[in-house]
Amino acid sequence: DSGVTQTPKHLITATGQRVTLRCSPRSGDLSVYWYQQSLDQGLQFLIQYYNGEERAKGNILERFSAQQFPDLHSELNLSSLELGDSALYFCASSPAIGTDTQYFGPGTRLTVL
Amino acid sequence: AQTVTQSQPEMSVQEAETVTLSCTYDTSESDYYLFWYKQPPSRQMILVIRQEAYKQQNATENRFSVNFQKAAKSFSLKISDSQLGDAAMYFCAYRSAGGAQKLVFGQGTRLTINP
Repeated sequence: DSGVTQTPKHLITATGQRVTLRCSPRSGDLSVYWYQQSLDQGLQFLIQYYNGEERAKGNILERFSAQQFPDLHSELNLSSLELGDSALYFCASSPAIGTDTQYFGPGTRLTVL
Repeated sequence: AQTVTQSQPEMSVQEAETVTLSCTYDTSESDYYLFWYKQPPSRQMILVIRQEAYKQQNATENRFSVNFQKAAKSFSLKISDSQLGDAAMYFCAYRSAGGAQKLVFGQGTRLTINP
């Protein structure tokens, strides 16, 4: 158990819908990262937050957004869902920025029908 | 942009034997970190081992060790005394020491352990 929690574990929804994925980092970790794992794209970085502020953006679609709250949990919002958004979404956390290793949560499996 | 390549989509090894998984990367940076993550059927991403580029000594964690060749941009993982529980997808990952902290992953190697 990495100490990073993600809810829900599984999510099934229809095209065009909007969903919210939630992540709670390890106790004391200030930095949160979101990754997407799909069969065709592999593991890709989406976005990073540090202590409530956005720090880096990767291959995140405009239909996707995220935020980190004062209690340091983070949410990833996916809207106007398409079949191709079906994937495993991971959250990872690290204590700060710099040399720290990222520890991954169990992931949320999103299926868009 | 940095890239990570794992040229072995699948590998298999007999239980108790030794296996080496290959990884190469491309970067113009001199300071960075390299990681091996394991993803078992549960889909959890588990850190196996980490290497700092400025360290010449290869990292070791129990039965897991790496062969880090900075000039060749090579970072292989050796698993000794393979166990059934080692069966998983293994991902090599790169992270810059500064700037963006994102992990750049290879495509993964599926390791099968034969009893």
